[in-house]
Amino acid sequence: EAGVTQFPSHSVIEKGQTVTLRCDPISGHDNLYWYRRVMGKEIKFLLHFVKESKQDESGMPNNRFLAERTGGTYSTLKVQPAELEDSGVYFCASATTRMNIQYFGAGTRLSVL
Amino acid sequence: GENVEQHPSTLSVQEGDSAVIKCTYSDSASNYFPWYKQELGKRPQLIIDIRSNVGEKKDQRIAVTLNKTAKHFSLHITETQPEDSAVYFCAASNGRDDKIIFGKGTRLHILP
Repeated sequence: EAGVTQFPSHSVIEKGQTVTLRCDPISGHDNLYWYRRVMGKEIKFLLHFVKESKQDESGMPNNRFLAERTGGTYSTLKVQPAELEDSGVYFCASATTRMNIQYFGAGTRLSVL
Repeated sequence: GENVEQHPSTLSVQEGDSAVIKCTYSDSASNYFPWYKQELGKRPQLIIDIRSNVGEKKDQRIAVTLNKTAKHFSLHITETQPEDSAVYFCAASNGRDDKIIFGKGTRLHILP
């Protein structure tokens, strides 16, 4: 069974540009989560989808971040325009049902210069 | 909201010795405590978890203990091996929502 996959693994962009990160959850997992780890700090929750619906987006930093999960399969996280403080590793996780084990992807390392 | 503190930030132990990582949490409603291991360049992987209805759980060389009164939980690795070198994250979840609140991580070095 394929795990959670994220693309790209690394992205380097300049301040003010736009970047879109993609996450493919484990097949059949309705629950999809985005997290972010800024250098040296904890992994922080960004938002949670149940199928195509946003269940909780309380962790989204500001309106420069837009997450979508059209069709309830893969998800994208767009940052527009990117700022220096957006640099970090963005993780995606998925789970079969709520309150179940969350399986993580390898992350996308975003570097904003 | 929930806050998870993790100590130490870095830990070096001799191969074969034991390693202990300690975490505290603030929300008494938290009832699920997973531990993730992240090797360099790889994904965080769940290694063990514990729910608030038990005080201890063991899986081979790994054990986790939970003290709900003190809001402490700990990871114990015995007979450490080189492949145990990684960053370990403790975390807590309250059962009201699916957020996992993570600690800052402990970088564990196993010395030959």
